[in-house]
Amino acid sequence: AQSVTQLGSHVSVSEGALVLLRCNYSSSVPPYLFWYVQYPNQGLQLLLKYTSAATLVKGINGFEAEFKKSETSFHLTKPSAHMSDAAEYFCAVTLLGGGYQKVTFGTGTKLQVIP
Amino acid sequence: DVKVTQSSRYLVKRTGEKVFLECVQDMDHENMFWYRQDPGLGLRLIYFSYDVKMKEKGDIPEGYSVSREKKERFSLILESASTNQTSMYLCASSFSGWGLITTGELFFGEGSRLTVL
Repeated sequence: AQSVTQLGSHVSVSEGALVLLRCNYSSSVPPYLFWYVQYPNQGLQLLLKYTSAATLVKGINGFEAEFKKSETSFHLTKPSAHMSDAAEYFCAVTLLGGGYQKVTFGTGTKLQVIP
Repeated sequence: DVKVTQSSRYLVKRTGEKVFLECVQDMDHENMFWYRQDPGLGLRLIYFSYDVKMKEKGDIPEGYSVSREKKERFSLILESASTNQTSMYLCASSFSGWGLITTGELFFGEGSRLTVL
């Protein structure tokens, strides 16, 4: 079984401040981990992904995430928030095997950026 | 560019109506998914399909059915819509890999917001 926990359904930061969105997962086998972003009235799009290569993963729009196996975490960070970062962010864990794909999403974190 | 297209962005239906939500992808992906998104609950998987005419129940299949007659098209059907099915519905697709390297990245449509009165 696998699960994803995102701490904080709403996070507010000031423009220019550090963004930290937390994600912890549980999985019986090494997972693939993803962060997706959803802008208002749109579908989700991939922000970044961890696929067992480098533990520090860089994504689009200046975001990055670090896979920490010992902490079962995959927190998303950005050094300096921009107004355009206001969106909802979803962490997801994926198990793959023989064409089979099982994806579990967290409940999402809405990021508000205050000018 | 990769494209997943959902036929309707906004729909308003009445209780008891039959509702069809259509999704088409142009990436020749084997896997297709239907999710439901509700505030505070994240995305919940309704059904998925890993091949034409194949389907698997997700976490919340009750009240829904699906159809996949062609590889590029995956339809979600609400046989008799109810008010508790008012939600945002998201279609997604992915490459299965079948022994090749795949990361399982999902490609999403823009969503269909359904209101059942």
